[in-house]
Amino acid sequence: GEDVEQSLFLSVREGDSSVINCTYTDSSSTYLYWYKQEPGAGLQLLTYIFSNMDMKQDQRLTVLLNKKDKHLSLRIADTQTGDSAIYFCAERGFYGGSQGNLIFGKGTKLSVKP
Amino acid sequence: DSGVTQTPKHLITATGQRVTLRCSPRSGDLSVYWYQQSLDQGLQFLIQYYNGEERAKGNILERFSAQQFPDLHSELNLSSLELGDSALYFCASSVGPGEIDEQYFGPGTRLTVT
Repeated sequence: GEDVEQSLFLSVREGDSSVINCTYTDSSSTYLYWYKQEPGAGLQLLTYIFSNMDMKQDQRLTVLLNKKDKHLSLRIADTQTGDSAIYFCAERGFYGGSQGNLIFGKGTKLSVKP
Repeated sequence: DSGVTQTPKHLITATGQRVTLRCSPRSGDLSVYWYQQSLDQGLQFLIQYYNGEERAKGNILERFSAQQFPDLHSELNLSSLELGDSALYFCASSVGPGEIDEQYFGPGTRLTVT
């Protein structure tokens, strides 16, 4: 079955770079996603990467994909206190009833210290 | 604001009861997805409807059911509630049936079963 794993916590200082890592199991995934959840809010799509890409950059965000190792990372440059949130990695489900739908990791809570 | 609305925002009820959660998708979106977010299970896909028809089913209990109405809003019905059903329930919507479509999440309904 499909599974997505990520570390639960990350703490950084304001102005540093943050790197959030994720591993996934389904090599058939066509898209991989990063979502952000602020306290008391829903999930906000931050960025996504197509499986035939190695890297995608979007302003302060850089996504790296190592398809061989099934490893995805999200780098946030110049991290700000407003970036404090939970970050979810997700892949598209492929098998059975999950086909086409999102399989999420448990989320990484990013704490940014001033 | 994603454009997806969910009501109510909070719901407190007792074990054994039945509740209905409501979701209105973004204007123009035909697909609605339901997810459950709990501390132990994380974010799990429950069910998807596309243009009124059930399209995919995930880890949805038999006590739970959903439907999508002709105006495309959706309702998730939870019955014979148990303490373990306490969770945040998210609705998401997308334009198409899902394989390559971005999902936009609502703010969620927090259900507390006492």
